[in-house]
This record gives sequence, structure tokens and C-alpha cells, in this order.
Amino acid sequence: GIQVEQSPPDLILQEGANSTLRCNFSDSVNNLQWFHQNPWGQLINLFYIPSGTKQNGRLSATTVATERYSLLYISSSQTTDSGVYFCAGLTFSGGYNKLIFGAGTRLAVHP
Amino acid sequence: KAGVTQTPRYLIKTRGQQVTLSCSPISGHRSVSWYQQTPGQGLQFLFEYFSETQRNKGNFPGRFSGRQFSNSRSEMNVSTLELGDSALYLCASSFRASGGAINEQFFGPGTRLTVL
Repeated sequence: GIQVEQSPPDLILQEGANSTLRCNFSDSVNNLQWFHQNPWGQLINLFYIPSGTKQNGRLSATTVATERYSLLYISSSQTTDSGVYFCAGLTFSGGYNKLIFGAGTRLAVHP
Repeated sequence: KAGVTQTPRYLIKTRGQQVTLSCSPISGHRSVSWYQQTPGQGLQFLFEYFSETQRNKGNFPGRFSGRQFSNSRSEMNVSTLELGDSALYLCASSFRASGGAINEQFFGPGTRLTVL
């Protein structure tokens, strides 16, 4: 079946540290999104990245579609980066779309 | 451009009741998808609506249903509520290409449903 796996499940950082979150996905995934879920439950779009590398401020993401993985880099972490990070694979098969979410990485950044 | 809006933000219901949640997509987006988030099961796909038609449904019982209106606004309904239906319900909107694949999904703030 369609699988999206994230690691690590939990991550604790000191403010200013860098981190890398990983997402492995099965070959039926056509596209990939990264989200940050804030404490109120809102999913914030970070990247829509089927392949290649994108950067947005202190965050960047790389997807290597041929090897079925994506990485999210957070540099110089801040306490406001705390929360849960999800990657989600978009599948389109037989005319049907859906996002398959990974279990998430829970990040805590301490001052 | 306004984002995805969901109403209500919070709901408390009792077992056996029914509930209707509403979602207004980003202007110009005609695909609306619904997801359920629970601590045990994570984020799970419920269904997608496009052009007032349900295009896909996840593995949920028939108590979960929805519809979409001509202005792309969508509602989802849960009948005969069970304790396990307590969850955060998120809707997402996206542009759907002519071939049928959807692009980047944008999420609303969610409706937090508590069933007592």
C-alpha cells in the first residue's frame, strides 16, 4: 500500500541548533508536501516539492524522487519552530486524489 | 486572497447526535478534501469533492458523508455520533488540473469536535 514514513518521531533542540527531518515514501506518491502544525492545530504549508530543492528563510527542503525520500532542514532553530512537522504524499491513481500523511516529527526547541 | 475557512471552530455533541461542519475554499479552488486527525490514527483522508461530486472516499463508515455546492463550499456530516468521532476535522482546498490531479493543498484551521 501507499506509505509515508517520517523520522525521527521526536526531536529536542537547543535554540540555535540545526536539524534534519526525513520522509520516506512509496513509489505511488506523485508529489510531496511539508507542513508545520501549530499548537492550535492549523497546518501551515512549508513546501510543495515533488523534486529538487527549495528554500524559504531558515527552512529548506530537498526531494529525491528517484530514491523516494525528502528532507526538511531547519537552521538556527527558534522556539517558535516547535510543533509537529508532517510530510504528506499526494497520490493520483485511477482519477482519485488523496494526501497520505506520515506520523509526524514532534519538535521541541528550548531557549 | 482569503484562506480556507471552517465553521464552527469548536463543537461539543453527545453520542447519537449528528453534526454538520462547513468549509469554504480559497477563491478559485474547486477541489475540497476532508481529513480527520486523532491522536491514535493520525491524519486520515475522508473524502474529496470536485464539481459538486464526491470523487474519492477514505476508509470511513457511511455515517460520514458530505456534499459540495455550486460555489465550491463543502459540508461534511457525521450522523449517530460515537465517542471515537472526537477529533480535529480539517478541510483542504486545491486547484484541480484538467487531467484530474490536484495541486498543492491548503488547509483551514479545523473544527475540533468533542463527543461526550
